[in-house]
Amino acid sequence: QKEVEQNSGPLSVPEGAIASLNCTYSDRGSQSFFWYRQYSGKSPELIMFIYSNGDKEDGRFTAQLNKASQYVSLLIRDSQPSDSATYLCAVNPQAGTALIFGKGTTLSVSS
Amino acid sequence: KAGVTQTPRYLIKTRGQQVTLSCSPISGHRSVSWYQQTPGQGLQFLFEYFSETQRNKGNFPGRFSGRQFSNSRSEMNVSTLELGDSALYLCASSLAGGGEQYFGPGTRLTVT
Repeated sequence: QKEVEQNSGPLSVPEGAIASLNCTYSDRGSQSFFWYRQYSGKSPELIMFIYSNGDKEDGRFTAQLNKASQYVSLLIRDSQPSDSATYLCAVNPQAGTALIFGKGTTLSVSS
Repeated sequence: KAGVTQTPRYLIKTRGQQVTLSCSPISGHRSVSWYQQTPGQGLQFLFEYFSETQRNKGNFPGRFSGRQFSNSRSEMNVSTLELGDSALYLCASSLAGGGEQYFGPGTRLTVT
């Protein structure tokens, strides 16, 4: 059974701090990795994807991938109250297969 | 470009009934995936359709079925509804599958 694990949280950080969200996956051969954000009562929205080991930056967001450790993370710099949401990690084991989602980490940013 | 649309947005059904949900993907997207989301289980994959063929299937009973039409619109059907089927049903479209998916607003199904 291929799995994606996330700490459910809540993760609470003060405004302006760095929020670090983590995800581990069981299938060592997984190819691509995604972060979705879901606000309460809304549907998930893709915010980042990463395919290669290392870091990928997009504005205040940085995705980090370590395939050897089967670990992917999302860093949110200068966290804002508007970042308060549930963050879903998703893994695509290989092309043509279904995306596997973790259960999500709830982030709360206090002003 | 218009986003993914789902109809209806809300449904209330009785145990034993059946229901059909509809999803219209983003223009040009050929893959449609369906998910069930509940507070306890998170986002669970139901199935994916690509070019009118079911390409992937999750671990749901045969009461859950779907199809895709030539214009990429997709429908999902649940027969003999059970209380445990109460959930938010999301569809997501992508160009050809994979993880870059765009979700619709969902259909909230309540079974009484």
